[in-house]
Amino acid sequence: AQSVAQPEDQVNVAEGNPLTVKCTYSVSGNPYLFWYVQYPNRGLQFLLKYITGDNLVKGSYGFEAEFNKSQTSFHLKKPSALVSDSALYFCAVRDSNTGTASKLTFGTGTRLQVTL
Amino acid sequence: KAGVTQTPRYLIKTRGQQVTLSCSPISGHRSVSWYQQTPGQGLQFLFEYFSETQRNKGNFPGRFSGRQFSNSRSEMNVSTLELGDSALYLCASSLHFGTYEQYFGPGTRLTVT
Repeated sequence: AQSVAQPEDQVNVAEGNPLTVKCTYSVSGNPYLFWYVQYPNRGLQFLLKYITGDNLVKGSYGFEAEFNKSQTSFHLKKPSALVSDSALYFCAVRDSNTGTASKLTFGTGTRLQVTL
Repeated sequence: KAGVTQTPRYLIKTRGQQVTLSCSPISGHRSVSWYQQTPGQGLQFLFEYFSETQRNKGNFPGRFSGRQFSNSRSEMNVSTLELGDSALYLCASSLHFGTYEQYFGPGTRLTVT
């Protein structure tokens, strides 16, 4: 069965510093990986995805993520954090091996707190 | 282009009642998925529909059901509501399933008393 782990419930970073939100996954085939962000009382917003190709994926709002197959990781990064980046971040995976039956599985979420 | 819309946004029901939630996907999107979000369980997958067919179903009891119409609009129904069904129900649409990203609506906040 596919799964996603976000080992940190919360990440604290000062504005202007780089940030990393960690994600590891488990699938039987090749992974389709996604990052989403959720602001209070809102639905999830798509940030970026990895399907195939370049391991470094660039997304919205200056975020990027690096796919590492050997470590089965897809960490979200940003070179310089903003207070407005404070939100709940979700990593998600879909297994390419299960065809039309595959579902999108989300991690438990990581709360990012950026302070002045 | 209008985003995913969900109605109603807030709902209060009593145990034992049933409820129907509605989702209108982004124009041109043919895949709709439903999720339940709670503080304790996080985001849990309910169902995924494509071209009026249920493609996948999560581990929820049969009280939870859904359908998709020919215009891609979707509804989910929960019968015999329980206190534990209180949650934010999120609908997401995408062009297709698989590699395509999902776009989420604002959710319906269901409270069961």
